[in-house]
Amino acid sequence: DVKVTQSSRYLVKRTGEKVFLECVQDMDHENMFWYRQDPGLGLRLIYFSYDVKMKEKGDIPEGYSVSREKKERFSLILESASTNQTSMYLCASSTPTGKPFFGPGTRLTVT
Amino acid sequence: RKEVEQDPGPFNVPEGATVAFNCTYSNSASQSFFWYRQDCRKEPKLLMSVYSSGNEDGRFTAQLNRASQYISLLIRDSKLSDSATYLCVVNVMDSNYQLIWGAGTKLIIKP
Repeated sequence: DVKVTQSSRYLVKRTGEKVFLECVQDMDHENMFWYRQDPGLGLRLIYFSYDVKMKEKGDIPEGYSVSREKKERFSLILESASTNQTSMYLCASSTPTGKPFFGPGTRLTVT
Repeated sequence: RKEVEQDPGPFNVPEGATVAFNCTYSNSASQSFFWYRQDCRKEPKLLMSVYSSGNEDGRFTAQLNRASQYISLLIRDSKLSDSATYLCVVNVMDSNYQLIWGAGTKLIIKP
């Protein structure tokens, strides 16, 4: 059974804190993605990676960075969290041309 | 114009009725197509892939019309448990690999 896990389901952080969101997949997928989802705005791509140490900016990369040191792990970093980064964060993975599988999501609140 | 468009709904449908959604895409380099289901505060989960010849999975039928650049999802004999948001996603292979998501159609099945 395919599995994508995320380090936290719920997270509360203060403005200015550095935040790490971790995602791990066990399917040996090449591609990994970070999205955020806000009511009425759908899924918005923050960053994706198609290989270890490779990354591409998505539609809304500002305020975020990523790290992919191992194939199975893709981390999203908020260098200095702000209240407008309060959102649901979803990680996904896929083969190069295949359908994505999602983790359960992290609901981040920045106060 | 958005690359992938869906009617946001909500579609309010009585239990047992048949309901259909469309999803239009603009990029002719689109290669594969999927429907996902997302329950409230959960991650999107794959419902079904969409094949050129059309495909069926129980009460669900998916179709692709390449000439008019849309995919459709038909749900027959709708159940209360079908209430969810339905997302279409298009895999585009032009200069690089991209997943383009629709914003989703909300379906509410009423008893």
